[in-house]
Amino acid sequence: QVQLVESGGGVVQPGRSLRLSCAASGFTLARHGMHWVRQAPGKGLEWVAVISYDESNKHYADSVKGRFTVSRDISKNTLYLQMNSLRAEDTAVYSCAKDSSTGWFYFDSWGQGTLVTVSS
Amino acid sequence: DIQMTQSPSSLSASVRDRVTITCRASQSISTFLNWYQQQPGKAPKLLIYDASSLQSGVPSRFSGSGSGTDFTLTIASLQPEDFATYYCQQTFSVPVTFGQGTKLDIK
Repeated sequence: QVQLVESGGGVVQPGRSLRLSCAASGFTLARHGMHWVRQAPGKGLEWVAVISYDESNKHYADSVKGRFTVSRDISKNTLYLQMNSLRAEDTAVYSCAKDSSTGWFYFDSWGQGTLVTVSS
Repeated sequence: DIQMTQSPSSLSASVRDRVTITCRASQSISTFLNWYQQQPGKAPKLLIYDASSLQSGVPSRFSGSGSGTDFTLTIASLQPEDFATYYCQQTFSVPVTFGQGTKLDIK
């Protein structure tokens, strides 16, 4: 059974950094693309980043490009999102999602998310 | 970037009603269009992928159609558990983009 569990959220000051984790079980990251998606309070879904099954492709939303970095540790079957230079507008619930394919096609499993609040 | 526009943004309907939500892409995306349902406080759930394929375990009252730029999600006979927010999503190209959502509530 596929399970995705995010952690690492919290309250952080503007300009600081935070690293989110997504522990995966029931499948291997080495065979699937993985995504980060965020949802600001009361707002819709915003795609953040994707990493392909072999790490050869990483893509980001314009809103986070140059500040966020997606990575993974196959030995731990864990996905990461390093978030630097955080801004108030980055406040959201961040969720990881498993892609059905090796890249990006459709998201067939989602985690429950971890809340990141950027505030002084 | 490909813009996804859903209509309506909100919709009131009754149990057993037939409901249609539309999604329009700013350029052709073939059939790289997916639909998700999100209940308050819950993770999104995949309903339809590749424009018209029903995800395993999703009731057959949900169906999707379309190709190119215009797509629809239809719920044949609304059930109480269907009142939620629905999102379309394109994966034709990165960045992946979502529609703004359609909130379906009880009339």
